[in-house]
Amino acid sequence: QKEVEQDPGPLSVPEGAIVSLNCTYSNSAFQYFMWYRQYSRKGPELLMYTYSSGNKEDGRFTAQVDKSSKYISLFIRDSQPSDSATYLCAMRRGSNYQLIWGAGTKLIIKP
Amino acid sequence: EAQVTQNPRYLITVTGKKLTVTCSQNMNHEYMSWYRQDPGLGLRQIYYSMNVEVTDKGDVPEGYKVSRKEKRNFPLILESPSPNQTSLYFCASRPSETYEQYFGPGTRLTVT
Repeated sequence: QKEVEQDPGPLSVPEGAIVSLNCTYSNSAFQYFMWYRQYSRKGPELLMYTYSSGNKEDGRFTAQVDKSSKYISLFIRDSQPSDSATYLCAMRRGSNYQLIWGAGTKLIIKP
Repeated sequence: EAQVTQNPRYLITVTGKKLTVTCSQNMNHEYMSWYRQDPGLGLRQIYYSMNVEVTDKGDVPEGYKVSRKEKRNFPLILESPSPNQTSLYFCASRPSETYEQYFGPGTRLTVT
């Protein structure tokens, strides 16, 4: 069993829809939780990160962490075609800033 | 422009022929890392370096070597490539004690 599970998609939604992307993890010791966005033929770039349970908002993006359920989510409001990308979750394993990654969910926003 | 560069971007080679993928960053970051990305498996760390002359194995180090002689450069060496090393490789860097990694554009390697 993988330590971090993420549905690979693709997830295809119409422009303007609210998108929900999710990851589950198995190790309750995981702490910092991050979402990276990866456009085709590019390297990933950090979108958001959060430490504690609860919500963190940044513009159209909201990151949610539920440590009791070992479940994290990324919500995208008013989705745009430019949001079409692969979204990877990552979380800290141990005390040396090493990350473990989900496999990524491919998101397609249809105009 | 602050960036991580990798070369080559695309490489097709044959089994057993030694190759090096270069990585360079101009942000004076202490930490550098190599990942491979495969469908369904996500990013897996190969090697990382906390600073010059300090390197350590990641999750999938077998078949790879690295060196960190200068702060800006972190080459990945495949002494005897095999087909199972066909993958998309990313170099990344970050400052110490932060989580935001800056990734290069990737190197697509095919070993036949």
